[in-house]
Amino acid sequence: QQQVKQSPQSLIVQKGGISIINCAYENTAFDYFPWYQQFPGKGPALLIAIRPDVSEKKEGRFTISFNKSAKQFSLHIMDSQPGDSATYFCAASYGKLTFGQGTILTVHP
Amino acid sequence: DGGITQSPKYLFRKEGQNVTLSCEQNLNHDAMYWYRQDPGQGLRLIYYSQIVNDFQKGDIAEGYSVSREKKESFPLTVTSAQKNPTAFYLCASSLRRGASNEKLFFGSGTQLSVL
Repeated sequence: QQQVKQSPQSLIVQKGGISIINCAYENTAFDYFPWYQQFPGKGPALLIAIRPDVSEKKEGRFTISFNKSAKQFSLHIMDSQPGDSATYFCAASYGKLTFGQGTILTVHP
Repeated sequence: DGGITQSPKYLFRKEGQNVTLSCEQNLNHDAMYWYRQDPGQGLRLIYYSQIVNDFQKGDIAEGYSVSREKKESFPLTVTSAQKNPTAFYLCASSLRRGASNEKLFFGSGTQLSVL
């Protein structure tokens, strides 16, 4: 049973544009929502995370928006750069971490 | 330089053969994990271990086995019972399991292919 649904599966953005990746969850017990970034041939690394008691968290060009009532959260990458090209995974946890399906982001120069 | 080391980077399995993937960490983490990554399916948990000499099945444990004889090491064996083993395998560790905000540290993965 897929508890975290992520979209789109792939995304192409021009340099300087905004990249938006969306995730939805069902289990209201989730209380921690991290995003992991994975470069080709490497393991994922924690990028940014949010708790459900806040609606937004920003770190540099990366922002998580969280809508508790809709059970949705999203990653926004402002001023996208070719170096941001990677696979992004959302996840949700309540002591056990569940990952979304992943989004392959390509930023064209 | 602390981190997780996985080896080999590429591995080929013949029909009916068992193969073992290595994972070593020097982060002094209690918990270790094995994930399988397939395109479009995200990361799926195979096995995890919270402490030496103890491990638990994850969501897709069938056809796999693990051991945790040392805190630093958590090898994964892909047995001949795993009929579709071709995937990218990721080992991870965290300080401990059970906290919602546990941060996973991943190795660079092993790509397993069937000959």
